[in-house]
Amino acid sequence: GENVEQHPSTLSVQEGDSAVIKCTYSDSASNYFPWYKQELGKGPQLIIDIRSNVGEKKDQRIAVTLNKTAKHFSLHITETQPEDSAVYFCAAYNSGGYQKVTFGTGTKLQVIP
Amino acid sequence: EPEVTQTPSHQVTQMGQEVILRCVPISNHLYFYWYRQILGQKVEFLVSFYNNEISEKSEIFDDQFSVERPDGSNFTLKIRSTKLEDSAMYFCASRWREEKIEAFFGQGTRLTVV
Repeated sequence: GENVEQHPSTLSVQEGDSAVIKCTYSDSASNYFPWYKQELGKGPQLIIDIRSNVGEKKDQRIAVTLNKTAKHFSLHITETQPEDSAVYFCAAYNSGGYQKVTFGTGTKLQVIP
Repeated sequence: EPEVTQTPSHQVTQMGQEVILRCVPISNHLYFYWYRQILGQKVEFLVSFYNNEISEKSEIFDDQFSVERPDGSNFTLKIRSTKLEDSAMYFCASRWREEKIEAFFGQGTRLTVV
């Protein structure tokens, strides 16, 4: 089955700096890579995603990149703000049918004002 | 905006007791899931449900667990005889169909087994 590794496990940045979180996946059949933000006591909320036919996607201060050959994908947050502080999970799955979401181990991001 | 809702938000139960966690997936979604997150750890897959039957289950989902969609709107997870190690956040998720591949998660139920 799919295995998703995520680094770093914790990340502290100064407000206004950029944050980068990296993930690798194992199953070449995975074709959809969402990123979830989880705030304390809440469920994972989808913030951005990328499909395997795309190398990069951007939404305001958030961007994701995907290297299918290397099975790497990354989340980039620019101009970080205190409200970006949360746990971020990468995930991977095959979009066909009922396929389950396989999550990475999570990155706790702290943005220091 | 439609959302997945879960009740209760927090459940405390004694070891050995049965618990039922409830979820109302987004209307018209076809695929339903339960996930578990032990404090400080990653979100783990438990079971997927489609067309009124289990599609896939993980090794965590043993005979003590069952799922049901009793009335076309609710989706429940039952743990027959809870153990201390069942203490975790349980998340329900749903998806529409293949061309709408995003999975939406509920806010979770915190289960504490004492």
